[in-house]
Amino acid sequence: GAVVSQHPSRVICKSGTSVKIECRSLDFQATTMFWYRQFPKQSLMLMATSNEGSKATYEQGVEKDKFLINHASLTLSTLTVTSAHPEDSSFYICSAKETGTGDNSPLHFGNGTRLTVT
Amino acid sequence: RKEVEQDPGPFNVPEGATVAFNCTYSNSASQSFFWYRQDCRKEPKLLMSVYSSGNEDGRFTAQLNRASQYISLLIRDSKLSDSATYLCVVKSSSGNTPLVFGKGTRLSVIA
Repeated sequence: GAVVSQHPSRVICKSGTSVKIECRSLDFQATTMFWYRQFPKQSLMLMATSNEGSKATYEQGVEKDKFLINHASLTLSTLTVTSAHPEDSSFYICSAKETGTGDNSPLHFGNGTRLTVT
Repeated sequence: RKEVEQDPGPFNVPEGATVAFNCTYSNSASQSFFWYRQDCRKEPKLLMSVYSSGNEDGRFTAQLNRASQYISLLIRDSKLSDSATYLCVVKSSSGNTPLVFGKGTRLSVIA
């Protein structure tokens, strides 16, 4: 079945540094990928929609200059958390839908990245 | 009002019990509905889609009531391995629009 690989699965970084998270669709093409964030005991909240070859669409309250998204190919989207702060510590999950599939086709999720900023 | 609302639980039930979860959504234009399962510190995994006529997959039955904007999930003969958080998920329109997740309902099945 379709697999989405997300890397790294866990990262600890110091405040002020940047962290890049990769989301790769391994056996299908994804024109659109979604980036979610989940704080403890909260729901997954959409941060942005990543579109191949064009600018990402950010949700209200998500700073585009802080969370840089690049979707340069049909199989890879990256999220860079710039100048990370402790409040950015969270579980970041990407998801992708295979290009050309129907509305009820499932989203395939990466296994998530647990970011801890110290 | 939140887009997707669920009772957070936890629901603590014995093995073999039947348990039901409910969910309401606020956007009447929502088109697609799902139940996902999320284990602790893991990514969510699709459990089943929810269709207007209701649908069943083994021990799991999902129902949708569009008029009341209400979705349910029934689990029969609960197993220990069913312990997880169950997420009610809604897609607002067709095309490449994102999923909107409820906060989830935690289920613990006890031996």
